[in-house]
Amino acid sequence: AQSVTQLGSHVSVSEGALVLLRCNYSSSVPPYLFWYVQYPNQGLQLLLKYTSAATLVKGINGFEAEFKKSETSFHLTKPSAHMSDAAEYFCAVSVRGGGNKLTFGTGTQLKVEL
Amino acid sequence: GAVVSQHPSRVICKSGTSVKIECRSLDFQATTMFWYRQFPKKSLMLMATSNEGSKATYEQGVEKDKFLINHASLTLSTLTVTSAHPEDSSFYICSARTISSYEQYFGPGTRLTVT
Repeated sequence: AQSVTQLGSHVSVSEGALVLLRCNYSSSVPPYLFWYVQYPNQGLQLLLKYTSAATLVKGINGFEAEFKKSETSFHLTKPSAHMSDAAEYFCAVSVRGGGNKLTFGTGTQLKVEL
Repeated sequence: GAVVSQHPSRVICKSGTSVKIECRSLDFQATTMFWYRQFPKKSLMLMATSNEGSKATYEQGVEKDKFLINHASLTLSTLTVTSAHPEDSSFYICSARTISSYEQYFGPGTRLTVT
């Protein structure tokens, strides 16, 4: 079975600073990896996904993530945080042939301060 | 494209009653739909997977007689919470995918409050 671990349930950054949200995965077969963002009382919006093509994945709103097999990581970054980035972020994993079930991490609440 | 809607967005019901939540794929045919439950400040927990025209597959620990899932068409799945109790209060989110896609498209969620 696959799993993801998100280190840090809360991350706080200053506006304009680098955003780094950590995600490590565990999977016995090549994974698909996703980052989602959730604003209060809303559903999930896909930020980006890794599907075994390029290891550096660019997503919406200036976010990107790099798949590192040797480190089993898929950390999410953004060079310069904006106030509107404050939200809950979820890393998720699925595998081909696994019914496309998504296994979510526990989430990281990003706070952006002036 | 790939829009999923849920109705209602919020619902309050009395303990002991049943409530139905609809999940629709608006611009694509969803061969598979997923239902998740999210507790406050928690992650999403997969409740069940439903394929169009067949019975839903429930995750371990989810009562199938309490959470009835129907996926009668390629654009609609429903979740009925039967004999609701306050502990069923939660945020329910659905997602949908096509047969050719590994990606799930999420609905906006339904906030259920049982009084």
